[in-house]
Amino acid sequence: AQTVTQSQPEMSVQEAETVTLSCTYDTSESDYYLFWYKQPPSRQMILVIRQEAYKQQNATENRFSVNFQKAAKSFSLKISDSQLGDAAMYFCAYLHGSSNTGKLIFGQGTTLQVKP
Amino acid sequence: EPEVTQTPSHQVTQMGQEVILRCVPISNHLYFYWYRQILGQKVEFLVSFYNNEISEKSEIFDDQFSVERPDGSNFTLKIRSTKLEDSAMYFCASSVWGKRTEAFFGQGTRLTVV
Repeated sequence: AQTVTQSQPEMSVQEAETVTLSCTYDTSESDYYLFWYKQPPSRQMILVIRQEAYKQQNATENRFSVNFQKAAKSFSLKISDSQLGDAAMYFCAYLHGSSNTGKLIFGQGTTLQVKP
Repeated sequence: EPEVTQTPSHQVTQMGQEVILRCVPISNHLYFYWYRQILGQKVEFLVSFYNNEISEKSEIFDDQFSVERPDGSNFTLKIRSTKLEDSAMYFCASSVWGKRTEAFFGQGTRLTVV
């Protein structure tokens, strides 16, 4: 069974600095997708970034980028120029590519604090 | 921008009572989901629904739970006889297609069982 592990329960960063959140996963599949979701205090789950396993190029969305290491099964999220609004819980999630159901498997989450 | 909407935002219910959580998925999406997040814990998959039937369910989704798409827009989760441990945030989500597409989540319904 696939598993997703986020080993950092909490992280903090100074405003305008860069922070990296870690995620590792375990799968025997070659076709899959990885996501980072943000959950602010409002509790809504917001998609931040997505990575297809077949793509070697790391995904980027404005200040958010990933470091996808397929062999190491690692998928970290880098937030550049951190802003106060980035403070939230961040979840890494896995989607099996050939799954017909679209079921997401989530990590435990990392709470990010941004200090002014 | 299209979004998934859930009602109510907060529901308090007595233990043993039935509760229905409601969701309106994004209109052109074909797959619908319910996830649960007990306070401070990770988000857990409950069920996925496609073409008017359950396509996958987790061990959590026992006989006390059911889902329904009563019309072309709503998607509901019913808990027949609530337990204290059902207290959690319940998220509805939808995706265009099951495979290879990300899910878009609603804002969640906080269920408190007293």
